[in-house]
This record gives sequence, structure tokens and C-alpha cells, in this order.
Amino acid sequence: NAGVTQTPKFRILKIGQSMTLQCTQDMNHNYMYWYRQDPGMGLKLIYYSVGAGITDKGEVPNGYNVSRSTTEDFPLRLELAAPSQTSVYFCASSRGRGTGFYGYTFGSGTRLTVV
Amino acid sequence: KQEVTQIPAALSVPEGENLVLNCSFTDSAIYNLQWFRQDPGKGLTSLLLIQSSQREQTSGRLNASLDKSSGRSTLYIAASQPGDSATYLCAVDVDDYGGSQGNLIFGKGTKLSVKP
Repeated sequence: NAGVTQTPKFRILKIGQSMTLQCTQDMNHNYMYWYRQDPGMGLKLIYYSVGAGITDKGEVPNGYNVSRSTTEDFPLRLELAAPSQTSVYFCASSRGRGTGFYGYTFGSGTRLTVV
Repeated sequence: KQEVTQIPAALSVPEGENLVLNCSFTDSAIYNLQWFRQDPGKGLTSLLLIQSSQREQTSGRLNASLDKSSGRSTLYIAASQPGDSATYLCAVDVDDYGGSQGNLIFGKGTKLSVKP
């Protein structure tokens, strides 16, 4: 199994540009998440989704948008990139409620620099 | 608001030592607590997950304990090896009316260095 796949791995954006970070999982997980990690900090939740067609804001959603048209894919859109969005972005997935034990599977991350 | 704190921020030990990493959280209403390992430039690897009803979990040389009432968890690493060098992150899954939001609140991590 590939698990959670994120693309691209690295990207440099200019201020004001936009881009989409791709995330796909092949484990048929209902829950998917986007986190960002700033240097020396823990991860903070940007957006999450409990299933196709359902998304909700996390702790730091400003400047981002998401969509969930399929179970597998959960892209993160950055509009009008700002230097404050320089970070490492992680996508993750997990099983849903009522499934007993579940754990998280994380992608390898996208390192984004906005200059 | 749930906050997760990890102490120490960094730890350096000689190979072979047993060590303990600490994690504390402010709200005891958690669904579970997880420990992750993060290698430089890599994603997170799940190490141990403790459900809120459990007291500890073990995997190989790793043992994690949970005391919900005091808001504490520890990760014990036995006979440390240079390959254990990484950042260890603690995260709590906030309970939501008996289920789980599935959203993790992370600590800032403990950076462990095991010297040969």
C-alpha cells in the first residue's frame, strides 16, 4: 500500500501566487486532515474532512481552501500566497468513528517557501 | 482550550541509557493519546496509541503510559540506540461527546539525540 501520498515535496512560491497541494490515500479512510508545521513547533490543524463532500475548519484555516470530492483525494488550495504560509504541510488520514482502534497515517510532507 | 506541553524540548543521552519523555495536557477529556516519531525532513510515524480507558501500551523497547486524571503521559525508551535519534511528538485526540473529532492537538516535541 502507498498510504498517504503528497505532491509536490518542495515548492517555492512568490507572494500573491496560488497553488494546490495534492493529497491522496489508498486506505479507504473516511477522515482526512491538513496540518502545517512551523519550525520548532507542533503541528496545527488547517482543515479536516469526515467524508466525501464534507469539510470543516481547523485551528488555522485563514488563507486556505479545501475540497473533498472523493474518498481518496483531499487537495489544499492556497490563494494569494503570503510569507506567513511558509511552512511544512502534512496530510493525514484515519478511520472514522465507531471503528475501534484507529491510528493516523501521515504523508511525507510538502515544504513550501513563499518569497 | 486543550494545550499539550512536552518536556524536555531536547535531550542528549549516551547509547544504552533508558530514558523518559514527558507529555502533559490541560483537559482530561481526551479520546486517545498518541506518540509519533519524526525524522528530519520526513513525515510522522505512529509509535503508540493509548485509548482513554487504557493505562499503557508497549511496543518493543517503547512503553507509553497515560494518567488522564493528572493530564500526563510518558514515553519510556529502553536501552536507547543511535537509531532512536529523532523528534518525538505527543498528540491528544479531543473527545467530542463520547466519540472523537479525530483532530489531534500536538505538543512541540522532544528532540532526542543518542550518542554512540
